Amino acid sequence: QKEVEQNSGPLSVPEGAIASLNCTYSDRVSQSFFWYRQYSGKSPELIMSIYSNGDKEDGRFTAQLNKASQYVSLLIRDSQPSDSATYLCAVFGQNSGNTPLVFGKGTRLSVIA
Amino acid sequence: GAVVSQHPSRVICKSGTSVKIECRSLDFQATTMFWYRQFPKQSLMLMATSNEGSKATYEQGVEKDKFLINHASLTLSTLTVTSAHPEDSSFYICSASDLGQPQHFGDGTRLSIL
Repeated sequence: QKEVEQNSGPLSVPEGAIASLNCTYSDRVSQSFFWYRQYSGKSPELIMSIYSNGDKEDGRFTAQLNKASQYVSLLIRDSQPSDSATYLCAVFGQNSGNTPLVFGKGTRLSVIA
Repeated sequence: GAVVSQHPSRVICKSGTSVKIECRSLDFQATTMFWYRQFPKQSLMLMATSNEGSKATYEQGVEKDKFLINHASLTLSTLTVTSAHPEDSSFYICSASDLGQPQHFGDGTRLSIL
């Protein structure tokens, strides 16, 4: 059973701080990793993808991947109240063809003004 | 790119009505579409995986005769909730992907059965 684990939160950070969201996965052969953001009452929106070990930066977002530790994280710099949402970690295995992404249950982030 | 359109966005209807929800990939060919359901304050629950031209694969506990899925083309999948009852009220979300690519979600359909 492939599993993706996230702390459900809520994670509360003050405006301007760095928010750190963590995710672990069980399938060692997983190849592709994604972070989705879901606002309350809305559908998930893809915000980051990462495929190789190390860091990937996109604006205020940095995804970090460590395949040896089976760990992927998302850092949000200069957090804004508009970043308050649930962040879903998703993993795609090797040669998974058309099978669905495996999603974590999400971490709720609250940025306090 | 990678736009997925879902329609309608909101449905309110009487118990016993059948409701059809459409999911379209607008700028890419979706070899696979997925249907999810999400109850308030709960996580996404995958209902079924649909490949173009073949029967959908349903997750355990999802009634295939209750939730009819059709994926007749590479850009369109439909979910029909047959004889809907109040317990079927939920947020239904489709997503689409091409082989090996991340899933992109539609905006969801909020279904309310009175």
